[in-house]
Amino acid sequence: AQSVTQPDARVTVSEGASLQLRCKYSYSGTPYLFWYVQYPRQGLQLLLKYYSGDPVVQGVNGFEAEFIKSNSSFHLRKASVHWSDSAVYFCAVSVGSTGNYKYVFGAGTRLKVIA
Amino acid sequence: EAAVTQSPRNKVAVTGGKVTLSCNQTNNHNNMYWYRQDTGHGLRLIHYSYGAGSTEKGDIPDGYKASRPSQENFSLILELATPSQTSVYFCASGDAGRSSYEQYFGPGTRLTVL
Repeated sequence: AQSVTQPDARVTVSEGASLQLRCKYSYSGTPYLFWYVQYPRQGLQLLLKYYSGDPVVQGVNGFEAEFIKSNSSFHLRKASVHWSDSAVYFCAVSVGSTGNYKYVFGAGTRLKVIA
Repeated sequence: EAAVTQSPRNKVAVTGGKVTLSCNQTNNHNNMYWYRQDTGHGLRLIHYSYGAGSTEKGDIPDGYKASRPSQENFSLILELATPSQTSVYFCASGDAGRSSYEQYFGPGTRLTVL
């Protein structure tokens, strides 16, 4: 069965510190992987996505993620967090065929950035 | 710019009543999705559609129906609402070709069933 695991429900980091949010997936097909961010009372916005090629992908606002096939992981990183990065972050894998696809989401990680 | 809108944004319903949540997209995407978001569960897929006239069951379809009368519109219907359906509902659109598997999300509908 397909699944996405985000093992950390909550993460607190100091402003200016580095960040890693973990994501592991289970899917037997070719994984198309995504990180979305949700700010309070809003819908989800795409941070970055991986389809193929360079396993390190760059996203918006200085975020990046690395696809490690051997570990079935797609961890999100940022070198220096800002207070405005406080939000909920979701990892997702797209499953299915080209016209017939859907997402499986992780439970999300709530990030709090403190001064 | 891609746009997905939802109405209403907030809804209070009574147990046993009928609730219809509406979603409109101007992206011309073939696929549309309905999710609910609850603490500790992330987003869970209720129903989805690959085009006008089609609906498919997602992971938690019980108690919900869906309708896709046109490319732009996708509705979620609760025929007999229950308090367990109190949640935030998100609609999304996407297309493997036009959006490269990315999904575009609406702002959400907060539903409270009393």
